[in-house]
Amino acid sequence: DTAVSQTPKYLVTQMGNDKSIKCEQNLGHDTMYWYKQDSKKFLKIMFSYNNKELIINETVPNRFSPKSPDKAHLNLHINSLELGDSAVYFCASTPDTRGNTIYFGEGSWLTVV
Amino acid sequence: RKEVEQDPGPFNVPEGATVAFNCTYSNSASQSFFWYRQDCRKEPKLLMSVYSSGNEDGRFTAQLNRASQYISLLIRDSKLSDSATYLCVVKGGSYIPTFGRGTSLIVHP
Repeated sequence: DTAVSQTPKYLVTQMGNDKSIKCEQNLGHDTMYWYKQDSKKFLKIMFSYNNKELIINETVPNRFSPKSPDKAHLNLHINSLELGDSAVYFCASTPDTRGNTIYFGEGSWLTVV
Repeated sequence: RKEVEQDPGPFNVPEGATVAFNCTYSNSASQSFFWYRQDCRKEPKLLMSVYSSGNEDGRFTAQLNRASQYISLLIRDSKLSDSATYLCVVKGGSYIPTFGRGTSLIVHP
């Protein structure tokens, strides 16, 4: 069983489109995250939710909107996609906000053309 | 100065070699330290935590120097399967983990 699963794995879309990436974890964790890894391989946190509540919101354009319908799901919706949004987006979870081991999903490769 | 800095490499070593990576961090209040491994086109996975007294896990040894604000990872007897990117991760009081950009290791026959 995949602990943290995200879909789609690959996404190619045109500038200006709106797209969503879905994430689910079956580990029973309270805290979930979205990370972005750009072409230079920097892995940066975007958002974190704890029990469906937003607790971390780094400097991210408001075109990015996370949604957590329950603590096992954290989806990412992106409006008006730009070329610079091309990256790998990783969903992740930890047991709680202090959790040291971060469990990542396999990543979603987004290419904006 | 970046919060967590690593030499991106790549480090190109023969099988059996010993290789060491360093990572420096800027926040002296940082509390927790880790090494993650990321294979090509895969997600990062925890390799090991780094404890103040240093710790070892098989061929891997991690050390922390709080005074100089750096952590290190030593890999002995390198295997082909060790080829990957090694990410240094630092957590402060806010519990937000900060990742370094990673050090690429290539082990060749």
